[in-house]
Amino acid sequence: EAGVAQSPRYKIIEKRQSVAFWCNPISGHATLYWYQQILGQGPKLLIQFQNNGVVDDSQLPKDRFSAERLKGVDSTLKIQPAKLEDSAVYLCASRGVRGLNTEAFFGQGTRLTVV
Amino acid sequence: RKEVEQDPGPFNVPEGATVAFNCTYSNSASQSFFWYRQDCRKEPKLLMSVYSSGNEDGRFTAQLNRASQYISLLIRDSKLSDSATYLCVVNRGNTGKLIFGQGTTLQVKP
Repeated sequence: EAGVAQSPRYKIIEKRQSVAFWCNPISGHATLYWYQQILGQGPKLLIQFQNNGVVDDSQLPKDRFSAERLKGVDSTLKIQPAKLEDSAVYLCASRGVRGLNTEAFFGQGTRLTVV
Repeated sequence: RKEVEQDPGPFNVPEGATVAFNCTYSNSASQSFFWYRQDCRKEPKLLMSVYSSGNEDGRFTAQLNRASQYISLLIRDSKLSDSATYLCVVNRGNTGKLIFGQGTTLQVKP
């Protein structure tokens, strides 16, 4: 079974530039998450989709971050404009069944450096 | 206060030692609980789910105390390969929202 695919793996941009990350979840997984992980911290949930609907985006900085999951499969996360403090690893995860004890599977992440 | 709290460590232990990690959560609506392992510069991977009755997987034992809102992970006979960050994860309510703790770093030394 193919895992969660993310691209690019690495990205270096200057502050105030824009950047987009792409995620392809495990086939059939209805739930998709985007997390931000700053060095030395645990992953912080940015947004959660159930199919193509948003379940939770309470911690997404909506003035600069946006995400979409068209057709309930692939997802993109965009930052515009980027700030220095956005330097982090952006992790995408998917889960087959909402709630209870099912496992969330993570992609390898995109490491963003803003200079 | 963070919703899921862990002691970040690091915990430095010799091979063969027993080590325990604790985690507290603040939202009583949390319904399911997990320990994930994250190796340096890698993605988190599920180590084990945590059940109310407690559960064991080889050298690893997880416990849940709902009354105290407390989760623990015990690692017996530590191996060098156990060196990693251990993330406490809580599924809040029935929306599938997964909240991660800061992680506890374990370094097992020969």
